[in-house]
Amino acid sequence: NAGVTQTPKFQVLKTGQSMTLQCAQDMNHNSMYWYRQDPGMGLRLIYYSASEGTTDKGEVPNGYNVSRLNKREFSLRLESAAPSQTSVYFCASRKPGQRYSGNTIYFGEGSWLTVV
Amino acid sequence: DQQVKQNSPSLSVQEGRISILNCDYTNSMFDYFLWYKKYPAEGPTFLISISSIKDKNEDGRFTVFLNKSAKHLSLHIVPSQPGDSAVYFCAAIQGGSEKLVFGKGTKLTVNP
Repeated sequence: NAGVTQTPKFQVLKTGQSMTLQCAQDMNHNSMYWYRQDPGMGLRLIYYSASEGTTDKGEVPNGYNVSRLNKREFSLRLESAAPSQTSVYFCASRKPGQRYSGNTIYFGEGSWLTVV
Repeated sequence: DQQVKQNSPSLSVQEGRISILNCDYTNSMFDYFLWYKKYPAEGPTFLISISSIKDKNEDGRFTVFLNKSAKHLSLHIVPSQPGDSAVYFCAAIQGGSEKLVFGKGTKLTVNP
């Protein structure tokens, strides 16, 4: 998973606390994503950013905010953490390809968040 | 409503045999499909993909088959190796969209 770096790797929060997950990529990719993975649920898209300065909601955006600080960095913020946000969070980036050509997303190694 | 379905949560095969992982989708607008492999405590890594204009794509031991009429794709691993033991996610995307949609994953165990 070289190229996409997430911090922190592990975090325990109390209900109501806030925190920001940081993500940076060095592949000069335009698009960046935040996913969460829960047992038996696969990966679900929280927010994405198609380019610097733009962000859009994914499948499960409630309780989160994002910032595309520059082309390299895309942060995910939990303003008031809830136990339901206990999950593994993955940042990813993608260089959009031409239609019908290689088109892959590269993931970071994940951030394990527990809200108690 | 789940648009990408992997109905088998787990699969166990013997080393050297074929592993077949299945995936169904409901959105006929999807035109590109990907398989990701995930080991515990790591991020998913891209394995193989196929566009909707093809029905087969091969990369070494891995082959993906697409049946558009049935809205079904499958990943074949031949021969299976213990190092292939991981969770495999099927994913799909519609041209022009940024939203890659994942299935719930299938945990493959290859026994020595």
